Amino acid sequence: GESVGLHLPTLSVQEGDNSIINCAYSNSASDYFIWYKQESGKGPQFIIDIRSNMDKRQGQRVTVLLNKTVKHLSLQIAATQPGDSAVYFCAVQNSGGYQKVTFGTGTKLQVIP
Amino acid sequence: DTEVTQTPKHLVMGMTNKKSLKCEQHMGHRAMYWYKQKAKKPPELMFVYSYEKLSINESVPSRFSPECPNSSLLNLHLHALQPEDSALYLCASSQEEGTGELFFGEGSRLTVL
Repeated sequence: GESVGLHLPTLSVQEGDNSIINCAYSNSASDYFIWYKQESGKGPQFIIDIRSNMDKRQGQRVTVLLNKTVKHLSLQIAATQPGDSAVYFCAVQNSGGYQKVTFGTGTKLQVIP
Repeated sequence: DTEVTQTPKHLVMGMTNKKSLKCEQHMGHRAMYWYKQKAKKPPELMFVYSYEKLSINESVPSRFSPECPNSSLLNLHLHALQPEDSALYLCASSQEEGTGELFFGEGSRLTVL
């Protein structure tokens, strides 16, 4: 089955610095990857996604990198702000008949003012 | 309107009670989901409805009974729950099952006494 994990449970970053959150997945058939942000007391919120035919995608202050060779993806947040403090989940989806989304264990990002 | 609305936000129930959680979306999405999230854990898929039909049941105990009365509404009926069922129950929707971004509600926090 699919397992999705993050390398660090908690990441503390100084305000203004860049943040990098990493995620490893196990199923080489996975072809759709999503990052979600969950603030305290709220549901997860979509940040950015990437499909397996790409290795990089950029949004506003966020970049997702995908390395299919080592089954690794990362979320980079530029100029981290206090409002970025949250738990970040990577999620992986496989094409095929059973298109379940599997969430990783989550990384808590703490922004130090 | 890009919201998924869940009610109630908080629910406390005894093990002999019957209660329901409700979810509503008006984005025209044809897939709706129930997730369970324990503290400091990722969301775990419970049920998926696609075009108002149950598509996936992740071996959830029968004390949880989902219902999709129409394309905008999703209910989760609760009966004879156990204290370990206490969790945040998240509803989500997507345009179609297995495609793209999940839109989550803010969740219903359930406490079973």
